[in-house]
Amino acid sequence: AQSVTQLDSQVPVFEEAPVELRCNYSSSVSVYLFWYVQYPNQGLQLLLKYLSGSTLVESINGFEAEFNKSQTSFHLRKPSVHISDTAEYFCADGGSNYKLTFGKGTLLTVNP
Amino acid sequence: ETGVTQSPTHLIKTRGQQVTLRCSSQSGHNTVSWYQQALGQGPQFIFQYYREEENGRGNFPPRFSGLQFPNYSSELNVNALELDDSALYLCASSLTGRGRETQYFGPGTRLLVL
Repeated sequence: AQSVTQLDSQVPVFEEAPVELRCNYSSSVSVYLFWYVQYPNQGLQLLLKYLSGSTLVESINGFEAEFNKSQTSFHLRKPSVHISDTAEYFCADGGSNYKLTFGKGTLLTVNP
Repeated sequence: ETGVTQSPTHLIKTRGQQVTLRCSSQSGHNTVSWYQQALGQGPQFIFQYYREEENGRGNFPPRFSGLQFPNYSSELNVNALELDDSALYLCASSLTGRGRETQYFGPGTRLLVL
Protein backbone atom coordinates (compact mmCIF):
# COMPACT_ATOMS: atom_id res chain seq x y z
CA ALA A 1 0.00 0.00 0.00
CA GLN A 2 1.15 3.49 -0.74
CA SER A 3 2.15 5.78 2.09
CA VAL A 4 3.48 9.31 2.33
CA THR A 5 5.54 10.50 5.26
CA GLN A 6 6.03 14.13 6.09
CA LEU A 7 8.84 14.16 8.56
CA ASP A 8 8.06 17.44 10.32
CA SER A 9 4.65 18.29 11.72
CA GLN A 10 5.64 21.91 12.37
CA VAL A 11 8.34 24.14 10.88
CA PRO A 12 8.76 27.64 12.33
CA VAL A 13 11.02 30.03 10.39
CA PHE A 14 11.72 33.73 10.24
CA GLU A 15 10.69 35.85 7.29
CA GLU A 16 13.18 35.83 4.38
CA ALA A 17 14.83 32.64 5.67
CA PRO A 18 15.06 29.52 3.47
CA VAL A 19 12.82 26.56 4.24
CA GLU A 20 12.64 22.87 3.35
CA LEU A 21 9.58 20.72 4.01
CA ARG A 22 10.39 17.04 3.78
CA CYS A 23 8.33 14.32 2.13
CA ASN A 24 9.05 10.65 1.53
CA TYR A 25 6.87 8.27 -0.44
CA SER A 26 6.69 4.48 -0.57
CA SER A 27 4.97 3.72 -3.88
CA SER A 28 6.77 1.22 -6.09
CA VAL A 29 4.50 1.73 -9.08
CA SER A 30 4.07 4.81 -11.21
CA VAL A 31 4.89 7.87 -9.15
CA TYR A 32 2.91 11.04 -9.45
CA LEU A 33 3.69 13.45 -6.63
CA PHE A 34 1.95 16.62 -5.57
CA TRP A 35 2.32 19.38 -3.05
CA TYR A 36 -0.88 21.08 -1.92
CA VAL A 37 -1.20 24.11 0.37
CA GLN A 38 -4.07 24.76 2.76
CA TYR A 39 -4.59 28.23 4.20
CA PRO A 40 -6.66 28.53 7.40
CA ASN A 41 -10.31 27.60 6.93
CA GLN A 42 -9.85 26.86 3.24
CA GLY A 43 -9.63 23.86 0.94
CA LEU A 44 -6.49 22.56 -0.73
CA GLN A 45 -4.73 24.39 -3.55
CA LEU A 46 -2.22 22.73 -5.86
CA LEU A 47 1.26 24.15 -5.41
CA LEU A 48 3.22 21.96 -7.84
CA LYS A 49 3.38 18.44 -9.21
CA TYR A 50 5.81 15.88 -10.61
CA LEU A 51 4.58 13.51 -13.28
CA SER A 52 7.70 12.70 -15.32
CA GLY A 53 10.66 14.37 -16.98
CA SER A 54 12.74 16.97 -15.17
CA THR A 55 13.14 16.06 -11.52
CA LEU A 56 13.00 19.70 -10.44
CA VAL A 57 9.57 21.29 -10.57
CA GLU A 58 8.71 24.87 -9.76
CA SER A 59 5.63 26.80 -8.73
CA ILE A 60 4.73 30.34 -9.71
CA ASN A 61 5.25 31.68 -6.19
CA GLY A 62 8.87 30.66 -5.71
CA PHE A 63 8.53 27.13 -4.30
CA GLU A 64 10.33 24.23 -5.91
CA ALA A 65 10.48 20.50 -5.27
CA GLU A 66 12.93 17.86 -6.39
CA PHE A 67 11.96 14.28 -7.14
CA ASN A 68 14.66 11.90 -5.92
CA LYS A 69 13.92 8.31 -6.89
CA SER A 70 16.87 6.75 -5.05
CA GLN A 71 15.88 8.42 -1.79
CA THR A 72 12.11 8.18 -2.49
CA SER A 73 11.78 11.83 -1.59
CA PHE A 74 10.00 14.89 -2.91
CA HIS A 75 11.10 17.72 -0.62
CA LEU A 76 9.67 21.21 -1.00
CA ARG A 77 11.95 24.24 -0.78
CA LYS A 78 11.79 27.98 -0.94
CA PRO A 79 14.90 30.19 -0.72
CA SER A 80 13.16 33.08 1.03
CA VAL A 81 9.76 32.83 2.73
CA HIS A 82 7.16 35.51 3.36
CA ILE A 83 4.62 35.93 6.13
CA SER A 84 1.94 35.04 3.58
CA ASP A 85 3.47 31.56 3.15
CA THR A 86 2.17 30.60 6.58
CA ALA A 87 -0.09 27.61 5.92
CA GLU A 88 -0.32 23.83 6.12
CA TYR A 89 1.48 21.96 3.34
CA PHE A 90 0.51 18.47 2.23
CA CYS A 91 2.52 16.08 0.12
CA ALA A 92 0.46 13.55 -1.86
CA ASP A 93 1.06 10.51 -4.04
CA GLY A 94 -1.27 9.92 -6.99
CA GLY A 95 0.35 6.63 -7.97
CA SER A 96 -2.81 4.56 -7.56
CA ASN A 97 -5.21 4.71 -10.43
CA TYR A 98 -7.69 7.04 -8.83
CA LYS A 99 -6.94 8.36 -5.36
CA LEU A 100 -4.49 10.69 -3.70
CA THR A 101 -2.65 9.41 -0.64
CA PHE A 102 -1.72 12.32 1.60
CA GLY A 103 0.86 12.81 4.29
CA LYS A 104 -0.20 14.22 7.66
CA GLY A 105 0.87 17.72 6.72
CA THR A 106 3.50 20.23 7.82
CA LEU A 107 2.45 23.48 9.39
CA LEU A 108 4.79 26.21 8.17
CA THR A 109 4.76 29.28 10.40
CA VAL A 110 6.66 32.32 9.15
CA ASN A 111 7.49 34.79 11.90
CA PRO A 112 8.48 38.45 11.41
CA GLU B 1 -14.50 28.63 -15.52
CA THR B 2 -16.42 27.75 -12.36
CA GLY B 3 -14.45 26.14 -9.56
CA VAL B 4 -15.50 23.36 -7.21
CA THR B 5 -18.23 24.40 -4.79
CA GLN B 6 -19.52 22.64 -1.71
CA SER B 7 -22.54 23.11 0.50
CA PRO B 8 -23.18 23.69 3.29
CA THR B 9 -20.01 25.29 4.63
CA HIS B 10 -20.69 24.25 8.22
CA LEU B 11 -23.03 21.75 9.80
CA ILE B 12 -23.79 20.60 13.34
CA LYS B 13 -25.49 17.23 13.89
CA THR B 14 -26.05 14.91 16.82
CA ARG B 15 -24.91 11.33 17.13
CA GLY B 16 -27.12 8.90 15.22
CA GLN B 17 -28.42 11.44 12.74
CA GLN B 18 -27.88 11.36 8.99
CA VAL B 19 -26.21 14.05 6.87
CA THR B 20 -25.95 14.87 3.16
CA LEU B 21 -23.12 16.99 1.78
CA ARG B 22 -23.12 18.37 -1.75
CA CYS B 23 -20.46 19.14 -4.31
CA SER B 24 -20.50 20.73 -7.75
CA SER B 25 -17.56 19.78 -9.91
CA GLN B 26 -15.48 22.13 -11.99
CA SER B 27 -16.80 22.78 -15.46
CA GLY B 28 -15.71 20.04 -17.87
CA HIS B 29 -14.80 17.54 -15.16
CA ASN B 30 -16.69 14.26 -14.87
CA THR B 31 -14.97 12.79 -11.80
CA VAL B 32 -15.58 13.64 -8.16
CA SER B 33 -13.57 12.34 -5.22
CA TRP B 34 -14.44 12.77 -1.54
CA TYR B 35 -11.96 13.03 1.30
CA GLN B 36 -12.29 13.26 5.09
CA GLN B 37 -9.81 15.49 6.90
CA ALA B 38 -9.84 15.06 10.67
CA LEU B 39 -8.31 17.78 12.81
CA GLY B 40 -4.54 17.79 12.50
CA GLN B 41 -4.49 15.06 9.86
CA GLY B 42 -4.10 14.79 6.12
CA PRO B 43 -7.14 14.10 3.96
CA GLN B 44 -8.23 10.46 3.77
CA PHE B 45 -9.81 9.12 0.58
CA ILE B 46 -13.45 8.06 0.99
CA PHE B 47 -14.53 7.23 -2.58
CA GLN B 48 -14.55 8.44 -6.15
CA TYR B 49 -17.30 8.69 -8.75
CA TYR B 50 -16.61 8.66 -12.48
CA ARG B 51 -19.52 9.16 -14.87
CA GLU B 52 -22.05 8.30 -12.16
CA GLU B 53 -20.36 5.03 -11.13
CA GLU B 54 -18.27 4.39 -8.01
CA ASN B 55 -14.70 4.09 -9.26
CA GLY B 56 -12.87 3.26 -6.05
CA ARG B 57 -13.39 3.27 -2.30
CA GLY B 58 -11.19 3.85 0.70
CA ASN B 59 -11.35 2.24 4.12
CA PHE B 60 -14.68 3.68 5.23
CA PRO B 61 -17.74 1.75 6.47
CA PRO B 62 -20.86 1.31 4.31
CA ARG B 63 -22.70 4.03 6.22
CA PHE B 64 -20.65 6.39 4.06
CA SER B 65 -22.35 6.38 0.66
CA GLY B 66 -22.38 8.59 -2.36
CA LEU B 67 -24.04 9.50 -5.55
CA GLN B 68 -23.12 11.30 -8.73
CA PHE B 69 -25.69 12.96 -10.94
CA PRO B 70 -25.80 13.30 -14.75
CA ASN B 71 -24.42 16.84 -14.45
CA TYR B 72 -21.49 15.30 -12.49
CA SER B 73 -22.36 16.99 -9.22
CA SER B 74 -22.17 14.66 -6.26
CA GLU B 75 -23.51 13.93 -2.79
CA LEU B 76 -21.88 12.31 0.20
CA ASN B 77 -24.29 10.71 2.67
CA VAL B 78 -23.33 9.58 6.13
CA ASN B 79 -25.80 7.56 8.21
CA ALA B 80 -25.78 6.89 11.94
CA LEU B 81 -23.32 9.67 12.66
CA GLU B 82 -20.61 9.04 15.23
CA LEU B 83 -18.55 11.57 17.17
CA ASP B 84 -15.46 10.58 15.16
CA ASP B 85 -17.18 11.67 11.96
CA SER B 86 -16.49 15.27 12.99
CA ALA B 87 -14.13 16.51 10.30
CA LEU B 88 -13.69 18.69 7.25
CA TYR B 89 -15.13 16.92 4.20
CA LEU B 90 -13.44 17.85 0.96
CA CYS B 91 -14.66 17.26 -2.52
CA ALA B 92 -12.28 17.28 -5.48
CA SER B 93 -13.00 17.15 -9.19
CA SER B 94 -10.83 16.01 -12.07
CA LEU B 95 -11.21 15.10 -15.71
CA THR B 96 -11.06 11.30 -15.55
CA GLY B 97 -9.80 10.59 -12.03
CA ARG B 98 -6.50 9.01 -13.06
CA GLY B 99 -3.65 9.38 -10.58
CA ARG B 100 -1.54 11.68 -12.74
CA GLU B 101 -4.30 14.26 -13.03
CA THR B 102 -4.59 17.28 -10.80
CA GLN B 103 -7.54 17.13 -8.45
CA TYR B 104 -9.16 20.50 -7.79
CA PHE B 105 -10.55 20.88 -4.30
CA GLY B 106 -13.53 22.74 -3.00
CA PRO B 107 -13.48 24.75 0.23
CA GLY B 108 -14.93 21.88 2.24
CA THR B 109 -17.83 21.29 4.61
CA ARG B 110 -16.98 21.31 8.28
CA LEU B 111 -19.14 18.79 10.13
CA LEU B 112 -19.41 18.73 13.90
CA VAL B 113 -21.14 15.77 15.53
CA LEU B 114 -22.25 16.28 19.13
